[in-house]
Amino acid sequence: AQSVAQPEDQVNVAEGNPLTVKCTYSVSGNPYLFWYVQYPNRGLQFLLKYITGDNLVKGSYGFEAEFNKSQTSFHLKKPSALVSDSALYFCAVRDSSNAGNMLTFGGGTRLMVKP
Amino acid sequence: DADVTQTPRNRITKTGKRIMLECSQTKGHDRMYWYRQDPGLGLRLIYYSFDVKDINKGEISDGYSVSRQAQAKFSLSLESAIPNQTALYFCATSDPFRGPTDTQYFGPGTRLTVL
Repeated sequence: AQSVAQPEDQVNVAEGNPLTVKCTYSVSGNPYLFWYVQYPNRGLQFLLKYITGDNLVKGSYGFEAEFNKSQTSFHLKKPSALVSDSALYFCAVRDSSNAGNMLTFGGGTRLMVKP
Repeated sequence: DADVTQTPRNRITKTGKRIMLECSQTKGHDRMYWYRQDPGLGLRLIYYSFDVKDINKGEISDGYSVSRQAQAKFSLSLESAIPNQTALYFCATSDPFRGPTDTQYFGPGTRLTVL
């Protein structure tokens, strides 16, 4: 079975500081990993994904994520946080071992960036 | 994402009532999904459809039914609503012909309250 965990319900960071939102996963095959962001009263928006290749993935709005197979992690990062980055962030995984597998989402992490 | 629309955006109903949530998309995607979002639980898959003739149960299908009226339309019904179905409901689409990566595109959500 596939699963994903976001160990922090909320992350607080000051504007201009680097931010990290953590995600760990469990799959039996190779993982397809995704990050989505949800702004208030909006649907989820795709940020970035890891399928294969370079472990550092760059996405929208200056975000990037690093795939670490040994630690089964896919943490979301940004070098300099903006107040407008405040939102709910979801990590998701799909196990590539079975074409019938669907996405499994983590519980979400609320990012609060303070001026 | 304006390419995926959901109606209504907000709905308050009473226990025992039948309710239908509708989703339409102009992305031309074959695959469509219904999720519910509860605080701390992330998104959980209710039903998904790979084409008009293909309907599949997700993780939490009990108490729900769906109808795929056309490639562009996918409706979710609660036959007899109960209070623990109070949640935020999202429709999503994806295009499998872009590869097995299953990037999903979400509608703005429907906030349902069952009294």
